[in-house]
Amino acid sequence: AQSVTQPDIHITVSEGASLELRCNYSYGATPYLFWYVQSPGQGLQLLLKYFSGDTLVQGIKGFEAEFKRSQSSFNLRKPSVHWSDAAEYFCAVGGSYNTDKLIFGTGTRLQVFP
Amino acid sequence: NAGVMQNPRHLVRRRGQEARLRCSPMKGHSHVYWYRQLPEEGLKFMVYLQKENIIDESGMPKERFSAEFPKEGPSILRIQQVVRGDSAAYFCASSPTLGGDTEAFFGQGTRLTVV
Repeated sequence: AQSVTQPDIHITVSEGASLELRCNYSYGATPYLFWYVQSPGQGLQLLLKYFSGDTLVQGIKGFEAEFKRSQSSFNLRKPSVHWSDAAEYFCAVGGSYNTDKLIFGTGTRLQVFP
Repeated sequence: NAGVMQNPRHLVRRRGQEARLRCSPMKGHSHVYWYRQLPEEGLKFMVYLQKENIIDESGMPKERFSAEFPKEGPSILRIQQVVRGDSAAYFCASSPTLGGDTEAFFGQGTRLTVV
């Protein structure tokens, strides 16, 4: 079955520290992978996406993610977290040419302490 | 180019009433997706529509929920006889083409509260 697992429900980091949010997926075909960010009461904003090519993907706001097929992972990283990065982060997978339907993980809530 | 517009942003309904949620996709987008986000959970796919067609409704509850995307006007998600368990945030997304290296753009959601 197709699924996305975000093992960390809640992460707390200090401002300026590095960040890694984990994402593992199960998908029968070549996946398209996405990371979205959701601020409280807001919609989803796309941080980055992977379709093909270079497995290290750069996104907005200084985020990057690395696709590792052997580990079925697509972890999100940022070298230095800012207080404004506090939000909920969702990993999602899609991949059929028939649809853009996405399967989302349950999210990781990031808290940033000054 | 305005983004995906959803209205209302907040909707309160009493049990047994009907809820209508509207979604206007981005200009030029003919594919619309509805997702539901229950409290403390991720988004769950509900339905995928193209103009005048329901393509995939595998995530829609079997009863009380319906969706349409008419030739003219916004997409509508309709929930009849709402119950407390329908309280959630409902997000609409639109995309210009099918699959491949496209992305879906999300609206800000409609937060439905059933009292």
